[in-house]
Amino acid sequence: EVQLVESGGGLVQPGGSLRLSCAASGFTFSRYWMSWVRQAPGKGLEWVANIKQDGSEKYYVDSVKGRFTISRDNAKNSLYLQMNSLRAEDTAVYFCASLYGMDVWGQGTTVTVSS
Amino acid sequence: DIQMTQSPSTLSASVGDRVTITCRASQSISSWLAWYQQKPGKAPKLLIYKASSLESGVPSRFSGSGSGTEFTLTISSLQPDDFAIYYCQQYNSYSSLTFGGGTKVEIK
Repeated sequence: EVQLVESGGGLVQPGGSLRLSCAASGFTFSRYWMSWVRQAPGKGLEWVANIKQDGSEKYYVDSVKGRFTISRDNAKNSLYLQMNSLRAEDTAVYFCASLYGMDVWGQGTTVTVSS
Repeated sequence: DIQMTQSPSTLSASVGDRVTITCRASQSISSWLAWYQQKPGKAPKLLIYKASSLESGVPSRFSGSGSGTEFTLTISSLQPDDFAIYYCQQYNSYSSLTFGGGTKVEIK
């Protein structure tokens, strides 16, 4: 079964850091661009970041540039999102997804930034 | 960056109605457009890719059309399971990806 499972969400204070992980299974992870997409409470979907198959290209939405870092470990079939300098507006459900060539989404992990 | 404008934001309809949702891109995206359905607490589900290709397993009452900057999602006969939020998404490049604001389809 093709599957993505996120972990690492939680409650963090403004200015803090969090690292999200996404474990892939059931498909050849290293063949696909991967993405992070988030959804703030009661709001729409927002793309956060993309990473190329070999990690050599990374792209971010302007609001997270310089604060978030996307990375991957193809040997571990895993995708990551390092989030630093977190703000209240980063509060959201974060989805790991394969959106190019094959459409697969994780169930999401909740990040709450609050004091 | 490419902006996606979706309309209407809310749509009230009855079972059996024909429903159309529109998505407009701020610049040409060829046919690199997808439509998703999302229900509360769930991840989005792909319905249509490449503007008009039906994802496997999706009922044929869903259809997509358009190219360039104007796109539509049509549900030919609305079913009870179709009440949800629908999003368009452009994936014209790897450097950026944009979703429309969403259309909530609710029971009239």
